Amino acid sequence: ETGVTQTPRHLVMGMTNKKSLKCEQHLGHNAMYWYKQSAKKPLELMFVYSLEERVENNSVPSRFSPECPNSSHLFLHLHTLQPEDSALYLCASSQGTGELFFGEGSRLTVL
Amino acid sequence: GQNIDQPTEMTATEGAIVQINCTYQTSGFNGLFWYQQHAGEAPTFLSYNVLDGLEEKGRFSSFLSRSKGYSYLLLKELQMKDSASYLCAVRDLRNTPLVFGKGTRLSVIA
Repeated sequence: ETGVTQTPRHLVMGMTNKKSLKCEQHLGHNAMYWYKQSAKKPLELMFVYSLEERVENNSVPSRFSPECPNSSHLFLHLHTLQPEDSALYLCASSQGTGELFFGEGSRLTVL
Repeated sequence: GQNIDQPTEMTATEGAIVQINCTYQTSGFNGLFWYQQHAGEAPTFLSYNVLDGLEEKGRFSSFLSRSKGYSYLLLKELQMKDSASYLCAVRDLRNTPLVFGKGTRLSVIA
């Protein structure tokens, strides 16, 4: 139990579906992150929110849309995804630039 | 640009010592982290180095040489449960997010 909870743990969707991934942190941190983890590739940073403001967007396609309604919750809205978007999506939080605490991840399969 | 290199896979014997190397080229340097990730689980923090030298934490130690852009994670008295991926990550500037290497998958065999 890392204090960061992600739902759903597994998601299968078609290319025309719209779905959302949810992340909640119970650690009182002020920064939250979305990372993508694909086989044989490094963890790729997608989005960073600090104090609920998006501070980084690493050239992620617009079919991924993040939302951070408060410092404890982070969403990743998905629409018209491609099969190559199939991956493990990891949420993390930190206090400032301290160590990252990761959630268990949401395993996404796009058919 | 940023580049972090670590071996893809390693195998070691239970009870032995293993060293996992990480080299990095980044525009700046503000700390190096090691994380452990078991299959199907979240990465968990192992160690942090920002100054040259060795940081020891139980069976795990991490070493940093900033002039060489080099770090290693040393695991002693290996146990089967140490079979996992080990991720090296670097922060290049003070307030920037971590950049990760591809990870080293360690298999501990009897």
